[in-house]
Amino acid sequence: GDSVTQMEGPVTLSEEAFLTINCTYTATGYPSLFWYVQYPGEGLQLLLKATKADDKGSNKGFEATYRKETTSFHLEKGSVQVSDSAVYFCALSLSGNTPLVFGKGTRLSVIA
Amino acid sequence: DSGVTQTPKHLITATGQRVTLRCSPRSGDLSVYWYQQSLDQGLQFLIQYYNGEERAKGNILERFSAQQFPDLHSELNLSSLELGDSALYFCASSAAVPGELFFGEGSRLTVL
Repeated sequence: GDSVTQMEGPVTLSEEAFLTINCTYTATGYPSLFWYVQYPGEGLQLLLKATKADDKGSNKGFEATYRKETTSFHLEKGSVQVSDSAVYFCALSLSGNTPLVFGKGTRLSVIA
Repeated sequence: DSGVTQTPKHLITATGQRVTLRCSPRSGDLSVYWYQQSLDQGLQFLIQYYNGEERAKGNILERFSAQQFPDLHSELNLSSLELGDSALYFCASSAAVPGELFFGEGSRLTVL
């Protein structure tokens, strides 16, 4: 079945460090890809998305590029802040109104 | 604030009991999704409704049921509760944009 695999956490970084969270997927068709973020005590919220190969999604300094050849959608940020501490979920959707399939999440802690 | 409201926020009950979780979607959103988040299983899709009709079913146990009412709010019923049902239950709603879900803050269920 369709699935998403994320790097195991937790990830701990110092403020202003470079962040990469790896995400790879398995899908029978051509999915849309998403990153969601969950701040402490809150629900998930959409961070960025890409709907076709080579698309780059970006938001709040985060970016991810849809790589069909490596079936990957790695999340990157050049300089993390303490306020970026959260759990990050990679997800895919195969068609318009189908449920999202989520990875297990990666917890990021940024220390000052 | 995502616009999705879930009640109750916290619920403590005993094994064998039955509980109902309620979700009010964002104004105008026709789709409602239920997800279960636990430490070991990550975020698991349970069920989706669209305008009152069941649209997709995921890993939902037979002890669990859901429905979406004419005013579009949804309820998730969990019965014969077991210790392993302790989790955070999220409701999400969406409009027409594929994959863009708006999550509530969740209902934390503790079964003792």
